[in-house]
Amino acid sequence: AQSVSQHNHHVILSEAASLELGCNYSYGGTVNLFWYVQYPGQHLQLLLKYFSGDPLVKGIKGFEAEFIKSKFSFNLRKPSVQWSDTAEYFCAVNSLSGSARQLTFGSGTQLTVLP
Amino acid sequence: NAGVTQTPKFQVLKTGQSMTLQCAQDMNHEYMSWYRQDPGMGLRLIHYSVGAGITDQGEVPNGYNVSRSTTEDFPLRLLSAAPSQTSVYFCASSSPTGSNYGYTFGSGTRLTVV
Repeated sequence: AQSVSQHNHHVILSEAASLELGCNYSYGGTVNLFWYVQYPGQHLQLLLKYFSGDPLVKGIKGFEAEFIKSKFSFNLRKPSVQWSDTAEYFCAVNSLSGSARQLTFGSGTQLTVLP
Repeated sequence: NAGVTQTPKFQVLKTGQSMTLQCAQDMNHEYMSWYRQDPGMGLRLIHYSVGAGITDQGEVPNGYNVSRSTTEDFPLRLLSAAPSQTSVYFCASSSPTGSNYGYTFGSGTRLTVV
């Protein structure tokens, strides 16, 4: 079974600081990788996704992520965070084999950006 | 194009009561799923469906039933609510292949069981 680990449970940054949120997954086959953001009281919104090709993926709102296959990692980055980036961030993986093409989520990272 | 619609948005149940959480999508997606979100645990898969008439269990299926009689609808039933089912529930749908492959989530149902 696939699993996803997000090691940072709560990250606190000041505005303009750089952000990197870690995500590691365990699955031996081909995967699709996602980062979702959840603003307070709202549903999940897709930030970016990786299917194949260039391992550096750019998403919305200035976020990017790098897929490193050898490390089973898909870390999320942003060069300069804003107060409005305060939210919970979820990494998710789904495999391309088997009957279940379903997402497995990490436990989430709460990001607080101080003005 | 409404995407994924969940009703109700909020619900309070007494222990032992039953209810159905509704989920409907208008994107003709084959795949639909139900997740529950609990603090510090991310989203966990309850049940999923790969098409009309086909459902299967996810990670935390106990206490929940589903059915998929149409492509559009995927209701989640709680037969006898328990306090442990207090959570936020999200429905999602996805297309199986193609460059638009991805998951669309509903706005969630916040359920409290007292």
